Amino acid sequence: GENVEQHPSTLSVQEGDSAVIKCTYSDSASNYFPWYKQELGKRPQLIIDIRSNVGEKKDQRIAVTLNKTAKHFSLHITETQPEDSAVYFCAASMGSNTGKLIFGQGTTLQVKP
Amino acid sequence: GAVVSQHPSWVICKSGTSVKIECRSLDFQATTMFWYRQFPKQSLMLMATSNEGSKATYEQGVEKDKFLINHASLTLSTLTVTSAHPEDSSFYICSARAIYGGGELFFGEGSRLTVL
Repeated sequence: GENVEQHPSTLSVQEGDSAVIKCTYSDSASNYFPWYKQELGKRPQLIIDIRSNVGEKKDQRIAVTLNKTAKHFSLHITETQPEDSAVYFCAASMGSNTGKLIFGQGTTLQVKP
Repeated sequence: GAVVSQHPSWVICKSGTSVKIECRSLDFQATTMFWYRQFPKQSLMLMATSNEGSKATYEQGVEKDKFLINHASLTLSTLTVTSAHPEDSSFYICSARAIYGGGELFFGEGSRLTVL
């Protein structure tokens, strides 16, 4: 079945450094790729998303890149801050149904002050 | 942004009892809602798609008779965990997508179920 692989599972960076999280997906029909930030015990919060007709999208310190041919997409956070510490999940839509998402395993990001 | 509300936010019950969790879209209509389950330190797993006015569609491996889903209106979906057992203890999160809009999903706050 469809699968999303996410790496690394944990990531520790110094404040101000950049953080990169990578995901690969298996369903070539997937066309929607959101990234979520989840703090302990809380709901996932959408931080950025990208659709298959776009290769890159940026929002202030956060950017996402998509390589459809290779079926992988990445989250880039620049100038990291301690409040960026959380679990980050990538997700891919099941085919073109943007409501049905397959989530990656999650990356625990720790930003050290 | 749009708001999706879940109730209760946490519940403790005894084995064998049933628990109902509500998911409401507060300021938009949603023909489709989605139910996810998240075990501690794990990812979100899609359980089922709740369709307004029709039967829910369940993902492989999810027992439809155990996890009853009802989507009676465009703003409310309910998940009932029947005959709950300790292994059903988990964080249950719903999400909804507005009828209009670009497809962004809005998640509820989640409901933490503990079965004793």
